[in-house]
Amino acid sequence: GNSVTQMEGPVTLSEEAFLTINCTYTATGYPSLFWYVQYPGEGLQLLLKATKADDKGSNKGFEATYRKETTSFHLEKGSVQVSDSAVYFCALRSGDYKLSFGAGTTVTVRA
Amino acid sequence: DVKVTQSSRYLVKRTGEKVFLECVQDMDHENMFWYRQDPGLGLRLIYFSYDVKMKEKGDIPEGYSVSREKKERFSLILESASTNQTSMYLCASSSGTSGIFEQYFGPGTRLTVT
Repeated sequence: GNSVTQMEGPVTLSEEAFLTINCTYTATGYPSLFWYVQYPGEGLQLLLKATKADDKGSNKGFEATYRKETTSFHLEKGSVQVSDSAVYFCALRSGDYKLSFGAGTTVTVRA
Repeated sequence: DVKVTQSSRYLVKRTGEKVFLECVQDMDHENMFWYRQDPGLGLRLIYFSYDVKMKEKGDIPEGYSVSREKKERFSLILESASTNQTSMYLCASSSGTSGIFEQYFGPGTRLTVT
């Protein structure tokens, strides 16, 4: 079945550093891909998405490109802030109704 | 503003108790989901519902049941709580089966079974 593997954390960075979180997937066909973010004490919220190969999703300075050839959807941000400290989840559409999530990567940004 | 609410943020129950977790969405979404979130395991789907009175098992349904009597409300039931059900429970909803398929999440209920 469809599944997602994302890099393990935790990741600790200084403000203004470059962030990359790796995500690779296994799927039949070309499912929609997502990054969700969970800030401390809150539920998950959609950060960005891509529905087909070579699409780039972007939001709040974060970007991810749907790479069919490497089955990847890595999340990047050029200059992180303390407010970006959160848990980040990669996910893919897995059937008519379902999403499959990765294990999550905890990111801490220090001032 | 879209909203998914869960009845409790924190809950402490004893082993063997029957536990009800309630979720309500105000977006008229067809689909609703219950996940549990555990460190290192991410989100695992327990049950989902694509219509009133309809339900489907997810990846880890054992020890749980669900009820969806109204479109906006989806309940998760632990018939006899056990300590291995101590976890964060997240409810989500989404619209339809096509398109972008974004899910909207509630804030979660942290359940401790002692």
